[in-house]
Amino acid sequence: DAGITQSPRHKVTETGTPVTLRCHQTENHRYMYWYRQDPGHGLRLIHYSYGVKDTDKGEVSDGYSVSRSKTEDFLLTLESATSSQTSVYFCAISEGNTIYFGEGSWLTVV
Amino acid sequence: RKEVEQDPGPFNVPEGATVAFNCTYSNSASQSFFWYRQDCRKEPKLLMSVYSSGNEDGRFTAQLNRASQYISLLIRDSKLSDSATYLCVVNEVQTGANNLFFGTGTRLTVIP
Repeated sequence: DAGITQSPRHKVTETGTPVTLRCHQTENHRYMYWYRQDPGHGLRLIHYSYGVKDTDKGEVSDGYSVSRSKTEDFLLTLESATSSQTSVYFCAISEGNTIYFGEGSWLTVV
Repeated sequence: RKEVEQDPGPFNVPEGATVAFNCTYSNSASQSFFWYRQDCRKEPKLLMSVYSSGNEDGRFTAQLNRASQYISLLIRDSKLSDSATYLCVVNEVQTGANNLFFGTGTRLTVIP
């Protein structure tokens, strides 16, 4: 157990609305990541953070923003949700070169 | 071309069978390698790291061939509980941050 909790775990939202997913970790990990997982694509990196207020883009960052104001919290915001952002979102932390995932947040945009 | 490629399966095998999964990766500079297991509607969980010398954990054996850029996972004496999707993962660490590439996964169903 890497001490990661994600909220909400399930959400249905309407196209055009903003959505924020929260990732909370209890073990003071420096690096945190947001991935999305879609059939046929595997897991793809959206954004990652290497410290408080230090973030960088991943492979599929368009339409997403992140913030990390505290070590323990990494927020992912969909500025204006679209149907293509219907997915399962996993937060992760790294210990050395190994990544551990949260339980996932299932988001449906209708 | 995908960074990591896996046969998606599905592999349907009887209990007690031996099954092997293969994976290839495109970046020869990749530094570390893993197999993750993912159950339906759950998060991926680390199954084992893969070392150049090969490594074993109980019924699971992982092999890495850097020259061929090929990773394998062998499961012996399959159990019903082994039914899951197995993800091949390659890490290209860059300036401290892990840069992981995931295969799309190989689905295994162990049949009674």
